[in-house]
This record gives sequence, C-alpha cells and structure tokens, in this order.
Amino acid sequence: EAQVTQNPRYLITVTGKKLTVTCSQNMNHEYMSWYRQDPGLGLRQIYYSMNVEVTDKGDVPEGYKVSRKEKRNFPLILESPSPNQTSLYFCASSALTAKSYTFGSGTRLTVV
Amino acid sequence: SQQGEEDPQALSIQEGENATMNCSYKTSINNLQWYRQNSGRGLVHLILIRSNEREKHSGRLRVTLDTSKKSSSLLITASRAADTASYFCATDAPYGNNRLAFGKGNQVVVIP
Repeated sequence: EAQVTQNPRYLITVTGKKLTVTCSQNMNHEYMSWYRQDPGLGLRQIYYSMNVEVTDKGDVPEGYKVSRKEKRNFPLILESPSPNQTSLYFCASSALTAKSYTFGSGTRLTVV
Repeated sequence: SQQGEEDPQALSIQEGENATMNCSYKTSINNLQWYRQNSGRGLVHLILIRSNEREKHSGRLRVTLDTSKKSSSLLITASRAADTASYFCATDAPYGNNRLAFGKGNQVVVIP
C-alpha cells in the first residue's frame, strides 16, 4: 500500500531533550515536507526537500532540523525542544510531476 | 505564509443536504487543491483543479474555480455523516515548485 509512515504517533517529552520524528514513504516520491498544525493557524510548513541531499526552509523553520540522506526518509529533528513546539506534526510527500500530497497520520508532540 | 482562506469557517448541516465552502487566494496560481482531514488525522487529497479549468467533478464533489475573482468553491452533494471533517484548500502560489500554501480549514459537521 502506498503510504507515508510517521513515528511515533504520540510523544511527550521534556524541554531540552533532543528528539527525532521519523517519516518514510514507499512511493519513490522526490518531494517531502514537514508541517505543523496549530489551532487557528492552520498548517505551516517547517522544511521541505526536493530530492536527496536537497533541503530548504519553509515558513517556520526555527528550532527544527531535517536531513534527506535517502529518498524514502525525511526525519524531523528537534535539538532542544521547547513548549512552543507542542503541536501536531505532519509529513507529506509528492512526486514532482503529480502536485498532490500524500500525508502521514501525524505525530502529536507535547513538550513539558 | 498562508494564502488560501476558506469561508465559512464552520458549517453544520443535516445529512442529505449539500455543503458549500469557499476559498479565496491572493496571487495567481497554476492549480488549487482541496483536502479533507478527519479529526486529528492526516489530510487526504480530494481534487485538483488547474487554472485553465472552471469546474471539476469527482463523485459527490464539485469544485469550481474563478481565477478572475481568485476564488474556488467546494460543493459536497447529498452529505453523509462520514463527510464530517475539516476541509482545506491549498494553492501552489506564491511558492511554485511543489510547495503548497494551505488555508486554515473549514469544519463541516453533518448531523445524522
């Protein structure tokens, strides 16, 4: 089944403790992206990647890192999480020619 | 920054009625997409309409696009309880490439 897999689904952590949210897709998509969703603010793009080793900042990149060493994986790294990063996070992918996104199921992160 | 803005923000209807929601955008686009999100889950692509198209159908969905008014509408006919969700429009402008700007979403509740 074609899908984007995010892990974990839920995560509660403490301020300052580094964490990684994984994202993997099995559709050979070139484009991958991370969004955060907050009430009243909609979806805001954090980082995106057009292909392997090509990443760029979205609208709200502060406090986040990403890497794209393999085509299928696009992990989101929070080096020193803070409570304002408590949010619902989504990974998405698309083929460069297709334009529509396939989303993962989301990761609900709480930073205390 | 978010470009798509949906209107109305929340809609409550009886099962069997039609649901209409609108989306406006600010800059010229190549395509506009609509997505559905069930509570807290990942977004699911519904339909894409290109800038040279005026109307598109997919099952019970009808999307219109008026590029002169920079607006789109999504009509769900004969709504069902399972249509209860948030609906987002997304445009490829102002970014280009594969980046999408999402609106803040429309909450639709279909009462059985």
